[in-house]
Amino acid sequence: AQSVSQHNHHVILSEAASLELGCNYSYGGTVNLFWYVQYPGQHLQLLLKYFSGDPLVKGIKGFEAEFIKSKFSFNLRKPSVQWSDTAEYFCAVNVAGGYQKVTFGTGTKLQVIP
Amino acid sequence: EAQVTQNPRYLITVTGKKLTVTCSQNMNHEYMSWYRQDPGLGLRQIYYSMNVEVTDKGDVPEGYKVSRKEKRNFPLILESPSPNQTSLYFCASRAFGGGQETQYFGPGTRLLVL
Repeated sequence: AQSVSQHNHHVILSEAASLELGCNYSYGGTVNLFWYVQYPGQHLQLLLKYFSGDPLVKGIKGFEAEFIKSKFSFNLRKPSVQWSDTAEYFCAVNVAGGYQKVTFGTGTKLQVIP
Repeated sequence: EAQVTQNPRYLITVTGKKLTVTCSQNMNHEYMSWYRQDPGLGLRQIYYSMNVEVTDKGDVPEGYKVSRKEKRNFPLILESPSPNQTSLYFCASRAFGGGQETQYFGPGTRLLVL
């Protein structure tokens, strides 16, 4: 079964700082990878996803993520964060091509200080 | 508008009093699932359904039941709620295959069991 690890539980940054949130998964086969964002009091929204092709994926609101297969990683990045990026971020994985469940990481809370 | 709806959004109940949380999607998705979100644990899947009359356990199914009599609806039933089921619950749906494996989440149901 697949699993997902997010090593940063709580990150505090100043506005304009660069962001990188780590995500590692464990599964030997082909996977789909996702980053979701949850703003305070709201439901999860998809930031970006990787199914195949270019390992550098661009999402909404200036976020991007890079799939590095050899490292089983899918780290989320943003060059310059804003106060409005304060939220909780979840990495998720599922086995490609099937109905198999989506497994979520434990989340990273990002706090951006103006 | 494509959406997943849940009702109620907030619920306070007492131990042992049966309750149902409804979930409905208007995207004709085959796959639906229920998650609970707890601090520090991320989202954990409770049950999922691959289509009408096809359901299976997720990671934390104890104390919950589901049914899928219609494609659009996937209610979550707590026959005898207990305080450890106090949580934030999300319903989600997605299509299968063809690169359409993005999950859409409902707004969440916050449950407090006294």
